[in-house]
Amino acid sequence: AQTVTQSQPEMSVQEAETVTLSCTYDTSESNYYLFWYKQPPSRQMILVIRQEAYKQQNATENRFSVNFQKAAKSFSLKISDSQLGDTAMYFCAFLNRDDKIIFGKGTRLHILP
Amino acid sequence: ETGVTQSPTHLIKTRGQQVTLRCSSQSGHNTVSWYQQALGQGPQFIFQYYREEENGRGNFPPRFSGLQFPNYSSELNVNALELDDSALYLCASTHRRDGTEAFFGQGTRLTVV
Repeated sequence: AQTVTQSQPEMSVQEAETVTLSCTYDTSESNYYLFWYKQPPSRQMILVIRQEAYKQQNATENRFSVNFQKAAKSFSLKISDSQLGDTAMYFCAFLNRDDKIIFGKGTRLHILP
Repeated sequence: ETGVTQSPTHLIKTRGQQVTLRCSSQSGHNTVSWYQQALGQGPQFIFQYYREEENGRGNFPPRFSGLQFPNYSSELNVNALELDDSALYLCASTHRRDGTEAFFGQGTRLTVV
């Protein structure tokens, strides 16, 4: 079975600090996509960053970057210079060959002023 | 905001009733997936529609059914509502299997009493 595990249910950091959210996944597929989604209180699921499994280079989007370790099946998200607007639920997700997105249970991130 | 619109945004139903939720897909996207997100959990895949045909189903009973229309919009129907069906229902619009971003609607909050 394909699973996504987020081991940190909740985290809090001070504004401007760097925070890393952990994610591990399990799959027998060799080519797939990994995502981090942000869900603020508005409920809209927003794509933060995407990684293609066949690319060794870690994806980066402005203050957001990932550490993708394919052999370890690890996909962590680093948020640099955190901002109050980063407060949200963050979901790690995996797109399988059947086009089904499998989500982790999420990490609730609080950015404190 | 994405081009995916869900209606209604909130709904209260009585146990045993039936409900229909609606989703319009992003322009150019031919695939719609539905997810159930219980409070404090990650979204769970219900099913997916591609070109008006069901294309994969998660671990949900047959009383969860759907449709996709020629314009790629979609409906989720739930019969014989149970209290555990109370959740946020999200639809996601994608262009099949190109690994690009799935655009999510803002969700329908269903409460069964």
